[in-house]
Amino acid sequence: AQSVTQLGSHVSVSEGALVLLRCNYSSSVPPYLFWYVQYPNQGLQLLLKYTTGATLVKGINGFEAEFKKSETSFHLTKPSAHMSDAAEYFCAVSYTGGFKTIFGAGTRLFVKA
Amino acid sequence: DAGVIQSPRHEVTEMGQEVTLRCKPISGHDYLFWYRQTMMRGLELLIYFNNNVPIDDSGMPEDRFSAKMPNASFSTLKIQPSEPRDSAVYFCASSLMMGRGTSGANVLTFGAGSRLTVL
Repeated sequence: AQSVTQLGSHVSVSEGALVLLRCNYSSSVPPYLFWYVQYPNQGLQLLLKYTTGATLVKGINGFEAEFKKSETSFHLTKPSAHMSDAAEYFCAVSYTGGFKTIFGAGTRLFVKA
Repeated sequence: DAGVIQSPRHEVTEMGQEVTLRCKPISGHDYLFWYRQTMMRGLELLIYFNNNVPIDDSGMPEDRFSAKMPNASFSTLKIQPSEPRDSAVYFCASSLMMGRGTSGANVLTFGAGSRLTVL
C-alpha cells in the first residue's frame, strides 16, 4: 500500500526566504513522486515529478525536489519565496503500472511581505 | 486544448435533491478520475475510468453516488439523494496511459472543480 505524509499543514515564510515543504512516502514498490500546486479556486497543477534517473528534479517557478530513497522523502524547496508562491502544495505518489495517485493532506504556504 | 472542463463551477442545492456534475477530459487522454476535496479528508479518489470503462470505484462513498462515462469526451458524477455531508469540491482529472507522452508517469491534468453545497 502507498501513502504520503506531509509534515505541517501550514508553513509561513518571509518573501525572499527559503521555502521547504516536507513530504515522506511509503511504497512497497519503486514510486513515482509528484508535487502539485493549487491556487485559490483552481484545480491542481503539476509542479514537478520524479520517475527514474536523476534524484534532483527541477520544476516550474524555481521549485525543485530531491528524491531520497534511504529517507523515503521527497521534500520541495525554493531558494527565495515570492508572494505569488502563496498556495496549497500537495505531494503525491503512484508507481509504474499503477494508475491511482495518492495525495498527501496538503501544506498551505503563506508568504509574508 | 482548453484543458479539463467541469460544470457547474458552483452548485447549491437542498438535501434530497439530485446533483449531476459534468466533466469533459482533454482530447486523447484515456484515463479519467473523479476526486473529492474536503477540509477534513483532503483529496479522495472516488472512481476512475480507462477508455470509458470504470476500473476502480472503491472510493465511491455509498450507493447514492454513481459515475458514468458514455464516451471519450464526457463523464458525469451523480449524487442522488444529496446530503449536507456531500458538500465538497469535486474535481475531474484526465491523463494519458503511463508510458506514452508523459515519460512513464501518470500525470494528472485537473479541471477547476465543482463546488457543491448541500443545505
